[in-house]
Amino acid sequence: GAGVSQSPRYKVAKRGQDVALRCDPISGHVSLFWYQQALGQGPEFLTYFQNEAQLDKSGLPSDRFFAERPEGSVSTLKIQRTQQEDSAVYLCASRPGTGLDTEAFFGQGTRLTVV
Amino acid sequence: AQKVTQAQTEISVVEKEDVTLDCVYETRDTTYYLFWYKQPPSGELVFLIRRNSFDEQNEISGRYSWNFQKSTSSFNFTITASQVVDSAVYFCALSEDNDMRFGAGTRLTVKP
Repeated sequence: GAGVSQSPRYKVAKRGQDVALRCDPISGHVSLFWYQQALGQGPEFLTYFQNEAQLDKSGLPSDRFFAERPEGSVSTLKIQRTQQEDSAVYLCASRPGTGLDTEAFFGQGTRLTVV
Repeated sequence: AQKVTQAQTEISVVEKEDVTLDCVYETRDTTYYLFWYKQPPSGELVFLIRRNSFDEQNEISGRYSWNFQKSTSSFNFTITASQVVDSAVYFCALSEDNDMRFGAGTRLTVKP
């Protein structure tokens, strides 16, 4: 597709359940980012991939959060044993290269609600 | 530590008014980029502008203009003659390394 695609758009999970969120970046984009956006807040950085390498995971809030991009294209963000505070919109973004000067293209996000 | 501060949480104006959204950033790097994104109700972040730390020229694009001042670490965004379609949340962001750090956003409501 032409843009960054995320699925599902909405996910309701029972507390304790594991979830997997998918991101299809723009084809050929080297850099991929995951952000968490709580209601009324700005996006908070979670993790960054350059191709298949996860270069920065400093923003992952706990060891229940895990992200991968095994072939350098599609990425999955997995949250284990979900808790209510995990409820947020999870945004994925991709950049063509690794330079700071290129804009990041964002998907529409996955809204996760933990009940 | 908060690196991007958008002090205005919400702004409400009447159509055709001019409005300025403030952004103050903090960095020790000499090379960095600043961005503005718009987030309409649909949720997708839409890129508006990018500015590097070595280019302090102000920029105008239609009704939008940006004022970058390194001396005050500010990168403010002005919408001239606002329209209802400008209603959205606007985010300022700083890119120093591989990541991009966002402010908390300013919700702009333009009333007819």
